Amino acid sequence: NAGVTQTPKFQVLKTGQSMTLQCAQDMNHNSMYWYRQDPGMGLRLIYYSASEGTTDKGEVPNGYNVSRLNKREFSLRLESAAPSQTSVYFCASSEGWTGGFYGYTFGSGTRLTVV
Amino acid sequence: QKEVEQNSGPLSVPEGAIASLNCTYSDRVSQSFFWYRQYSGKSPELIMSIYSNGDKEDGRFTAQLNKASQYVSLLIRDSQPSDSATYLCAVIMNRDDKIIFGKGTRLHILP
Repeated sequence: NAGVTQTPKFQVLKTGQSMTLQCAQDMNHNSMYWYRQDPGMGLRLIYYSASEGTTDKGEVPNGYNVSRLNKREFSLRLESAAPSQTSVYFCASSEGWTGGFYGYTFGSGTRLTVV
Repeated sequence: QKEVEQNSGPLSVPEGAIASLNCTYSDRVSQSFFWYRQYSGKSPELIMSIYSNGDKEDGRFTAQLNKASQYVSLLIRDSQPSDSATYLCAVIMNRDDKIIFGKGTRLHILP
């Protein structure tokens, strides 16, 4: 039972490079989210998808784009990476938009360094 | 006032004692509250949810909610070294149905 799977686990990018973080869930959840976590800043929502076919901006969307490819997969793209995007990125999913009675299930995270 | 506030710690508690973690929130009509545990280098893991005023117990964990005071807490009884982690409080803000996480409290259980 995989839950939420994120790839890659680690990545080093040069400033200006692009990359896509992949996320897939096998729990038939409707909603998926991308967060970043920085020391002293906590978890901040980048983008979310309340259901297949919809995406919306969260608290810190600048510099990112997302695609909800199907119900299982939700990818996060950095078009032109900047050192300020050095962070740990978490994908999460939930049955409903608010997480309901079951909260979120998080992936294992991607540690991204932009040099 | 920050939306979800927690003391960053570290909170040091002797093994076997009760650890008490606190959280305050700004949206007085919030209805859903969660506690997540995050070990260093790992992802957050949901350990408790609470929706009504009062206490909710699950094993060694008790979540307490006081909506009038906009306060939610987590008690860990018989603390173990394996409880050493960062504990994140999360609140669903009713104004826009978004979950806001606190910055977390680092808990250190002293053997």
